[in-house]
Amino acid sequence: AQTVTQSQPEMSVQEAETVTLSCTYDTSESDYYLFWYKQPPSRQMILVIRQEAYKQQNATENRFSVNFQKAAKSFSLKISDSQLGDAAMYFCAYRSDPQGGSEKLVFGKGTKLTVNP
Amino acid sequence: DGGITQSPKYLFRKEGQNVTLSCEQNLNHDAMYWYRQDPGQGLRLIYYSQIVNDFQKGDIAEGYSVSREKKESFPLTVTSAQKNPTAFYLCASRWTGANVLTFGAGSRLTVL
Repeated sequence: AQTVTQSQPEMSVQEAETVTLSCTYDTSESDYYLFWYKQPPSRQMILVIRQEAYKQQNATENRFSVNFQKAAKSFSLKISDSQLGDAAMYFCAYRSDPQGGSEKLVFGKGTKLTVNP
Repeated sequence: DGGITQSPKYLFRKEGQNVTLSCEQNLNHDAMYWYRQDPGQGLRLIYYSQIVNDFQKGDIAEGYSVSREKKESFPLTVTSAQKNPTAFYLCASRWTGANVLTFGAGSRLTVL
């Protein structure tokens, strides 16, 4: 079974600085999808960024980018120019390729990010 | 606006009572999901449904039941058999062919 590990329960960053959140996963599959979701205090889950395992290029969405290391099974999230609104719980998630894999989205336990003014 | 509506937002229940959480979506998504979130834990899958009148158990289905009579609706019943029902419950949906889940705002259930 696939597992997702976020080793940093809490992180903090100064406003305008850069922070990297770690995520590792365990799988024997070659095709899969990885996601970072953000959960602000409102508790609404919001997709931040996604990565297809077959793509070598790291995904980028404005100030958010990932460092996807397939061989190392690592999927870290970098937030540049941190803003107060970035404060939230961040969850890393894994999904098998829909052609033959599980329907399930497997989540890590989350990293609480605090942004200091 | 399209989205997922969960109700109620907060719910209190006495031990031994069943309670039903509502989840309605107007996104025309085929698949729907129920997740449970506990403090310090990630989201855990309770049940999911890929088409109307069909659903599958997730990792923690014991003590829960669902139905999928309409494409738009996927209610979750927390039964008295669920030993520790106090939690935050999230409903999600996905369009077939997409990999991204859209989430509702959640329902907080507290057992008194």
